[in-house]
Amino acid sequence: GQQVMQIPQYQHVQEGEDFTTYCNSSTTLSNIQWYKQRPGGHPVFLIQLVKSGEVKKQKRLTFQFGEAKKNSSLHITATQTTDVGTYFCAGPRTGTASKLTFGTGTRLQVTL
Amino acid sequence: DTGVSQNPRHKITKRGQNVTFRCDPISEHNRLYWYRQTLGQGPEFLTYFQNEAQLEKSRLLSDRFSAERPKGSFSTLEIQRTEQGDSAMYLCASSSTGGSGANVLTFGAGSRLTVL
Repeated sequence: GQQVMQIPQYQHVQEGEDFTTYCNSSTTLSNIQWYKQRPGGHPVFLIQLVKSGEVKKQKRLTFQFGEAKKNSSLHITATQTTDVGTYFCAGPRTGTASKLTFGTGTRLQVTL
Repeated sequence: DTGVSQNPRHKITKRGQNVTFRCDPISEHNRLYWYRQTLGQGPEFLTYFQNEAQLEKSRLLSDRFSAERPKGSFSTLEIQRTEQGDSAMYLCASSSTGGSGANVLTFGAGSRLTVL
């Protein structure tokens, strides 16, 4: 079945440092979505990328979808304590628009 | 609209008992999903509905799990003869099938199950 892996599993940074998480799927994705889950919370949608090679920015967050539509990355510039949480990528296999397979997640800890 | 609502939020039960969780999706959303999440893992797909039709069910889901969405609105997830391995957070999500939010999941707060 489809597998979606993320690295690193965990990263601890000091406030102001940059952070990147990488997402790799075993199958081609029709789109990629990113979610953030705060400690004790539920996943909350951040963004969706659809086109091969697409790059989108949300303030300090930059999302990229790979050319082959099998990988993606999320980069946070100058992290803040409010960025703490686990970041999940999720994507449906090409041809199945509805069922999202979630990645293993990257937990981000930010300290002052 | 208050978003996706799930209850109960917490359920503690003894092994072998049956439990039922309820999910009320966003009213405009015609798709409803159930996911399971254990500590340190990503949400794992269980099943999803479009309106009242159950369109897909995970092969990992045992026969003890059943989900319904009888009128295409709220859904229930029942686990029969619970086992300790069923302990997890059960997340419900809903989505629309059209517009800019198509297939984007809005999650509820989840129902945490502890099987003793």
